[in-house]
Amino acid sequence: DVKVTQSSRYLVKRTGEKVFLECVQDMDHENMFWYRQDPGLGLRLIYFSYDVKMKEKGDIPEGYSVSREKKERFSLILESASTNQTSMYLCASSSSGRAAETQYFGPGTRLLVL
Amino acid sequence: QKEVEQNSGPLSVPEGAIASLNCTYSDRGSQSFFWYRQYSGKSPELIMSIYSNGDKEDGRFTAQLNKASQYVSLLIRDSQPSDSATYLCAPLRYSSASKIIFGSGTRLSIRP
Repeated sequence: DVKVTQSSRYLVKRTGEKVFLECVQDMDHENMFWYRQDPGLGLRLIYFSYDVKMKEKGDIPEGYSVSREKKERFSLILESASTNQTSMYLCASSSSGRAAETQYFGPGTRLLVL
Repeated sequence: QKEVEQNSGPLSVPEGAIASLNCTYSDRGSQSFFWYRQYSGKSPELIMSIYSNGDKEDGRFTAQLNKASQYVSLLIRDSQPSDSATYLCAPLRYSSASKIIFGSGTRLSIRP
């Protein structure tokens, strides 16, 4: 079974703090993704990575950065957290080729920025 | 116009009936289409994929695709309370790095 884990289920941070969200997958997947999910807006892609040290901006990258130093790990960084970054953050991974179309999601991190 | 449009619901269907979930998309370049199910408080999971015009059946689920009308739907036959969830429509846009675009989802409630 594919397993995608995220470092925290719930996180409370203060405005201006630097926040690290970690994601680890155990299926040797090439592709990894970070989304945020907000009511009425659905899942929006923040960043994705198709290889180690490779990254591409998604639809809403502003205020975020990412790091992928190892194949199994993809980190999302909020350089200076703001209240509008309060959201559910979902990590996903997929294999390459046609199999890339099936994304496996982690349990999510609910982040509250005060 | 949103790239993927879904009625947010809630769609209430009696147990045993057919639930019909609809989705329209704007990118004519989309070639693959997916339905993800998301239970409350959980993350999405893939339940159906469809690539060609027409119908694709998998157990109680049938996906229907009409590329000319830019329309995709999901039918759930013999609806069960366990089908109560939010269903996300997700076309795949092929590019240099393919990305799935998720709709905001339709909340389905199966009433006993």
